[in-house]
Order: sequence, then C-alpha cells, then structure tokens
Amino acid sequence: EVQLVESGGGLVKPGGSLRLSCAASGFSFRTYTMNWVRQAPGKGLEWVSSISSDSRYIYYADSVTGRFAITRDNAKNSLLLQMNSLSAEDTALYYCARDIGSGGNTVPDYWGQGTLVTVSS
Amino acid sequence: QPVLTQSPSASASLGASVNLTCTLDSGHRTSTIAWHQQQPEKGPRFLMKITNDGRHNRGDGIPDRFSGSSSGTERYLTISSLQSEDEADYYCQSWGTGTWVFGGGTKVTVL
Repeated sequence: EVQLVESGGGLVKPGGSLRLSCAASGFSFRTYTMNWVRQAPGKGLEWVSSISSDSRYIYYADSVTGRFAITRDNAKNSLLLQMNSLSAEDTALYYCARDIGSGGNTVPDYWGQGTLVTVSS
Repeated sequence: QPVLTQSPSASASLGASVNLTCTLDSGHRTSTIAWHQQQPEKGPRFLMKITNDGRHNRGDGIPDRFSGSSSGTERYLTISSLQSEDEADYYCQSWGTGTWVFGGGTKVTVL
C-alpha cells in the first residue's frame, strides 16, 4: 500500500524557517518524481515544488522561489521541504504527492494527509 | 501552462447524478487533465485522468460511478448514483513543464 506521511509542521513567526518531511512507503520511492502542494485555510490547492527521481530536475512556484528548497533522500525514502523567510501567506496545509510516473511530472496519483504550517507572531 | 476554470458549486439529490465541468483555456484545448476529490478534513484523492478524446483511467479503487468525458476545451466528471460520501470538493488539474496547475475547485453538495 502506498503511504505518504508528512511531518514537521507547526507554528512559526514571520521571517522564520521550518523543515517539512514526507516519509514514503509501499512503492519504489527512488523511481518517482515527488511534489509538494499546499492549501491555505478555506482555499484551493496550490502546487509548490517538484523534484525528479534523481534530483536532477527541480521546479518551484513563483510564490516560493528563492525561499523554499526541495530535496530528497532516496536511501531513506524521504522527501523534504526547507522553508525560509516565511510569511503569513505561507500558512497552509502542506501535502506531499507522488507523480503517477507516466513520464514527466503530470498527475498526482497518491497524496499524503498533510502537515499544517501556521505563520503568525 | 494551462488555465483551468471550474464552477464553484454543484448539487444533486442522493442517488441522482451530477456533472462537473473543467474548462481549459483555448490554447490548451488538447491537454489531458485529472480529477481529484477532497472530502472534508481529508487529503485529496486521485480519481481519474481524462484525455482530449475522452479516454479516462481511474485511480486505484475508484468505483465506476465516477466517469469522465471530453468535448473541445471542456473536461467532465460525472458522478452517478450519488452517495453521501460524495459530498466533497472536486479539483481538476493539469500540468506544464515540471509544474502542476489546479482549477479553483467545485464543491458538491448531496441534497
């Protein structure tokens, strides 16, 4: 069974940093492109970042470029998101999602349950 | 990358059918999209992919009450025999190079 479990969320002050983790199991993590998607309270889904299976290709949404960094550890089946210079606009539930694996980064076929990041003084 | 437009809400009675529409911008009329369901207080769940010619592939465990189709710039999700657990937000989604894009979502209410 494919499982994606996020952790690392919490309350952080504006300008602060946080590191999110996603533990993957039930599939060959090293062969899939992975993504982070966020959802602000009461709002829709917003794609944040993607990383290819070999970490060679990395993309970010304009809203987080220069502040967030996505990495992965294929030996530990783990996806990470380092978030710096956080602002209230980054307050959201952050989901880890697996790309379906049909070539490129196209469709998420499995999602985690999310970890909540709250940026407030 | 594509721009996806959804109506904010839809409703239908228990046991009836409901049709949701996702409209692509004209420059991406041949794009494949996906539908995702998000039940209250839960993470999203992948329902299916739909190509521009209407072929669709459901995700693991998705019942055939959920079906998809296409016409021009529109991609449809039809939910038949509506059940109470179908009350949820539904998002269409597509992609650019390395990126994903989502529609604004449609909230489905089961009456």
